[in-house]
Amino acid sequence: QKEVEQNSGPLSVPEGAIASLNCTYSDRGSQSFFWYRQYSGKSPELIMSIYSNGDKEDGRFTAQLNKASQYVSLLIRDSQPSDSATYLCAAYYGNNRLAFGKGNQVVVIP
Amino acid sequence: DVKVTQSSRYLVKRTGEKVFLECVQDMDHENMFWYRQDPGLGLRLIYFSYDVKMKEKGDIPEGYSVSREKKERFSLILESASTNQTSMYLCASTYGTANEKLFFGSGTQLSVL
Repeated sequence: QKEVEQNSGPLSVPEGAIASLNCTYSDRGSQSFFWYRQYSGKSPELIMSIYSNGDKEDGRFTAQLNKASQYVSLLIRDSQPSDSATYLCAAYYGNNRLAFGKGNQVVVIP
Repeated sequence: DVKVTQSSRYLVKRTGEKVFLECVQDMDHENMFWYRQDPGLGLRLIYFSYDVKMKEKGDIPEGYSVSREKKERFSLILESASTNQTSMYLCASTYGTANEKLFFGSGTQLSVL
């Protein structure tokens, strides 16, 4: 079973601070990685995808990938109350299969 | 705007009932998926379909079947509902594979009593 681990508990950050989320994945063959955001009572929506080592920036979001360490992270700069949500890390391991982590809840405190 | 529509937001069924969950997408997507989401377990793939009448088992297919008679519609069937199938069911679609952006429906919260 391919696994994606998101071990941190709920993350509380003050408005304007940086929120940092991490995940690790078990399948070294995975090539594509995604961050989905899920508001309470809503369905997930894709916010970032990353395919190569290094950083990828999109607005206030930065995804980081380190394939040697099998590690993916998401940074949210200048956190806003609207960023309060659960963030799901996912790894693609072929044949139309995504492995999702259990998610990390982020609470931005005004 | 992209749309994946699930027919029911909340559903309550009895143990042993046959349950149909319907999903329709309006984006002409090739691939459609059924996931269930449970607290502490995350999203798990039940079945997916890559073409009309084509289906493939996901990670937890036991107790479920699917039907895709038309490209835009993908149904999840619980042949004999059990209490351990109480869950949030999410349908998703994508033009390419799951390696592309998944578009999710709003989900069906199923309670089996």
